[in-house]
Amino acid sequence: ETGVTQSPTHLIKTRGQQVTLRCSSQSGHNTVSWYQQALGQGPQFIFQYYREEENGRGNFPPRFSGLQFPNYSSELNVNALELDDSALYLCASRAAGPQGEAFFGQGTRLTVV
Amino acid sequence: RKEVEQDPGPFNVPEGATVAFNCTYSNSASQSFFWYRQDCRKEPKLLMSVYSSGNEDGRFTAQLNRASQYISLLIRDSKLSDSATYLCVAVSGAGSYQLTFGKGTKLSVIP
Repeated sequence: ETGVTQSPTHLIKTRGQQVTLRCSSQSGHNTVSWYQQALGQGPQFIFQYYREEENGRGNFPPRFSGLQFPNYSSELNVNALELDDSALYLCASRAAGPQGEAFFGQGTRLTVV
Repeated sequence: RKEVEQDPGPFNVPEGATVAFNCTYSNSASQSFFWYRQDCRKEPKLLMSVYSSGNEDGRFTAQLNRASQYISLLIRDSKLSDSATYLCVAVSGAGSYQLTFGKGTKLSVIP
């Protein structure tokens, strides 16, 4: 086990709805990143949070937003869901610094119908 | 052009075979490189880091060629338990730590 937990594990939403996914990072890790993995593809970087501030963002529209809390847990929010948002959403936590390994949670499988 | 490109696969090999995965990256500013393993419907897990000097971990050998922007992974004496998708990863992002994944190459080791 990596110590990174995500909830929920599975979710079904309707197009146009909003969703919030949650991630608890491993103890001692202050950096959390979110990734989207569509079926048959590699994970795609959404954004990263370090000490409650977003410090990196991939090529995702503004309806993808996030938060990091003082305990370093994090949320990913997606508004106005589209069918193409159906994917596995992965959270990864790591300690700051160039050598810190990123540990992934088990992911949340989101299906938009 | 995708930032990280891998062999499309899938690879189907018999037990005991040697299999090689190849990967190229386009961002010359990439700082670090990894191979991750992902089992079906599971999260990616770090297999090994990749260094220019090459590194070996048991049956696994990884190599980086910065001049060619090329990364490889060699698995010797394949086991059934090696069956998984192998993801090539480059780390980039000024001021952040962004993992850029390839699409992955699926390996099936056959008895």
